[in-house]
Amino acid sequence: GAVVSQHPSWVICKSGTSVKIECRSLDFQATTMFWYRQFPKQSLMLMATSNEGSKATYEQGVEKDKFLINHASLTLSTLTVTSAHPEDSSFYICSAKGTPFEQFFGPGTRLTVL
Amino acid sequence: AQKVTQAQTEISVVEKEDVTLDCVYETRDTTYYLFWYKQPPSGELVFLIRRNSFDEQNEISGRYSWNFQKSTSSFNFTITASQVVDSAVYFCALTLGDSGAGSYQLTFGKGTKLSVIP
Repeated sequence: GAVVSQHPSWVICKSGTSVKIECRSLDFQATTMFWYRQFPKQSLMLMATSNEGSKATYEQGVEKDKFLINHASLTLSTLTVTSAHPEDSSFYICSAKGTPFEQFFGPGTRLTVL
Repeated sequence: AQKVTQAQTEISVVEKEDVTLDCVYETRDTTYYLFWYKQPPSGELVFLIRRNSFDEQNEISGRYSWNFQKSTSSFNFTITASQVVDSAVYFCALTLGDSGAGSYQLTFGKGTKLSVIP
């Protein structure tokens, strides 16, 4: 089956620093990837849709300058949380578009900002 | 806009009991896909099932079964003879079956936390 990896699986950083999270499709090419955010005991909230070679489409209320998304290749999308603050602490999950009408999810990255 | 409602926030059952997780959806589209995912404490989403809007056949996979009823816009999930390993948060989700800009975007319910007590 299709496998999606995320790196790192967890990260702790100081307030004001930037953190990059990688999402890779290991055995297939993904023209579209999605980034979700999940707060404790809550559901997944779509942050943005990332298309290879073009700008990401952000959901309403998501700051594009704070959450930079780059999808430079068919197997890699990155999410950079810039100038992270404690309120950015969350579980970030990526997924890659499969067929038909299916998404393959990564294992998630737990970000803690001190 | 699409909406998925999982009215049960938390459910506790004793091991070997049967349990049904409810999912009600809203969409104006006639072509759509429904999903169930399991999220154990580790956090990784585990795909359980996908069902398209034109296939109302119920499905059984081992101890898991799904009841899709378009008349009530429901896609309920039953675990038979529950086990401790079934303890997790379960999400129901929907995506539209078109190829437009919003295609493949999943709308998730809020999830139901299932605790199976030994």
